[in-house]
Amino acid sequence: NAGVTQTPKFRVLKTGQSMTLLCAQDMNHEYMYWYRQDPGMGLRLIHYSVGEGTTAKGEVPDGYNVSRLKKQNFLLGLESAAPSQTSVYFCASSYVQRGEAFFGQGTRLTVV
Amino acid sequence: AQRVTQPEKLLSVFKGAPVELKCNYSYSGSPELFWYVQYSRQRLQLLLRHISRESIKGFTADLNKGETSFHLKKPFAQEEDSAMYYCALWGPSNAGNMLTFGGGTRLMVKP
Repeated sequence: NAGVTQTPKFRVLKTGQSMTLLCAQDMNHEYMYWYRQDPGMGLRLIHYSVGEGTTAKGEVPDGYNVSRLKKQNFLLGLESAAPSQTSVYFCASSYVQRGEAFFGQGTRLTVV
Repeated sequence: AQRVTQPEKLLSVFKGAPVELKCNYSYSGSPELFWYVQYSRQRLQLLLRHISRESIKGFTADLNKGETSFHLKKPFAQEEDSAMYYCALWGPSNAGNMLTFGGGTRLMVKP
């Protein structure tokens, strides 16, 4: 049982490049989330999904897009990367929309 | 809007000493609070939740509504407790129901 898996683990982008982060969960969870983690700021919610085919904005959605075409996958896209998007990105999922979430191992993204 | 504050970015104690990681929150409703932990090179995981009133790995946390606090405590720290700890609040926000995390406290337990 892999839980929540994120791909890739590390990435370096040049300003203006695009990329997609993939999150996959095998727990049949309805809810999935993308967070970014920055020093001293904790984790901030970027986007989330309450089920297949749905997405919603979180606290800091600007510059990101998401898609949930399949229940087990939640994709986070950066259309035109900026240095301010240098961060560690975490995906999470939960069975119900409550506080107990299961997290992926994180993706460290650097935009130069 | 709900907010979670962890005033200490770093807490350093010796093995065997008591530990208290502070968490304060602002929320107008009835809060549901959690502590998450991230050990080195591991993923973030749930440590405990206030509704369970449980003790996990010797840690406890009591919700104090009067002081709007949810401090994490352990009477005798162990080296393996060294990690990053996040307090989180579940509740409604402008972005819908969500977990709001504090800035985190790094706990270092010295031998």
